[in-house]
Amino acid sequence: GAGVSQSPSNKVTEKGKDVELRCDPISGHTALYWYRQRLGQGLEFLIYFQGNSAPDKSGLPSDRFSAERTGESVSTLTIQRTQQEDSAVYLCASGGYQETQYFGPGTRLLVL
Amino acid sequence: AQSVTQPDIHITVSEGASLELRCNYSYGATPYLFWYVQSPGQGLQLLLKYFSGDTLVQGIKGFEAEFKRSQSSFNLRKPSVHWSDAAEYFCAVGSGRTGGGNKLTFGTGTQLKVEL
Repeated sequence: GAGVSQSPSNKVTEKGKDVELRCDPISGHTALYWYRQRLGQGLEFLIYFQGNSAPDKSGLPSDRFSAERTGESVSTLTIQRTQQEDSAVYLCASGGYQETQYFGPGTRLLVL
Repeated sequence: AQSVTQPDIHITVSEGASLELRCNYSYGATPYLFWYVQSPGQGLQLLLKYFSGDTLVQGIKGFEAEFKRSQSSFNLRKPSVHWSDAAEYFCAVGSGRTGGGNKLTFGTGTQLKVEL
């Protein structure tokens, strides 16, 4: 079946602009996670959804970051007033059996 | 708080040689442990996972890992490395709270280079 998909695959934006990143999870997965991977580093947890509620937002680095999810499907991660330090790969994962997470290909964000 | 340490940033092995990638974790309860592989420009692919039971787990692509509670380790092994195994490998620990979120904490990764 189809895996996790993310769009766009690449995004170049100017400092101060807003960006929206999209994640389509595997059908039937109620759990959805966003992570950030900075160059040469491991993944940092950002936010977790169960259905369309977000019981754990502890990883969002600032109030410029927000995310929402429609039902048990699509999620969007929004970064307002982007800064150069926001440049990273943003990875989405959906949670399946025994909470194993399956990752999408990521969105590579470059803020100029 | 949970944490993961991968002490080796880079490892180089010859094709056909054996491989062991180290992973140490810190977690207060029984952890859920994972190894993922990331090839250039690709997302993360799950290699194997440990939840409970047999401490030696088998994964895809001929990889295996052994959970050692006394050493807080979950090292990844492969008896004979292939050139296509060159990639970055991430160890992760999860809270394993079924239905309550399984936030993963990742190590910083080990970059594997395979010499032909």
